[in-house]
Amino acid sequence: QKEVEQNSGPLSVPEGAIASLNCTYSDRVSQSFFWYRQYSGKSPELIMSIYSNGDKEDGRFTAQLNKASQYVSLLIRDSQPSDSATYLCAVEYYGNNRLAFGKGNQVVVIP
Amino acid sequence: DAEITQSPRHKITETGRQVTLACHQTWNHNNMFWYRQDLGHGLRLIHYSYGVQDTNKGEVSDGYSVSRSNTEDLPLTLESAASSQTSVYFCASSESPSGSNEQFFGPGTRLTVL
Repeated sequence: QKEVEQNSGPLSVPEGAIASLNCTYSDRVSQSFFWYRQYSGKSPELIMSIYSNGDKEDGRFTAQLNKASQYVSLLIRDSQPSDSATYLCAVEYYGNNRLAFGKGNQVVVIP
Repeated sequence: DAEITQSPRHKITETGRQVTLACHQTWNHNNMFWYRQDLGHGLRLIHYSYGVQDTNKGEVSDGYSVSRSNTEDLPLTLESAASSQTSVYFCASSESPSGSNEQFFGPGTRLTVL
């Protein structure tokens, strides 16, 4: 069983602040990592993919990957009310396009 | 624009009935996946396919079946619906093992089994 853990509870951040989300995974050979955003009642939407150690920036989003420590994180800079959603971490395992998902972290941005 | 669609969007059925949920993608992706999402469990993989005539069981496949007769469609069948199968079902697709492994999701089907 491939484990993807997102242990933090709901995260409330004031508008304009940085939201930080963490995810750990159990499979040392995983090479592909993804962050999805899911609004209530909607489907998951891919917002970031990361494959190499280090940081990857896309607009206000930064994904950070540390394969040695088996964690991946997502930073949301200048948080906006529209960022209020659940964020799902996903990890590819077996190298065959199958993804294991964490249970998600809810982010609430307070105006 | 290429897209992935699911139908119906909402379905109410009775225990014991056979139900089929449709998934159609126009990206010409080889890989297609079915997930269910439940509170407390997150997204769990039911079945997946890497191409025409290929189907594989995921982690929660009991009571479900799929068939892949063309690239665009992967219908999910509940052979005899049970209340435990009340859930939100998502279909997803990705390009191929040699291409992008990013998965894109359809809008979902909310299924209620009474």
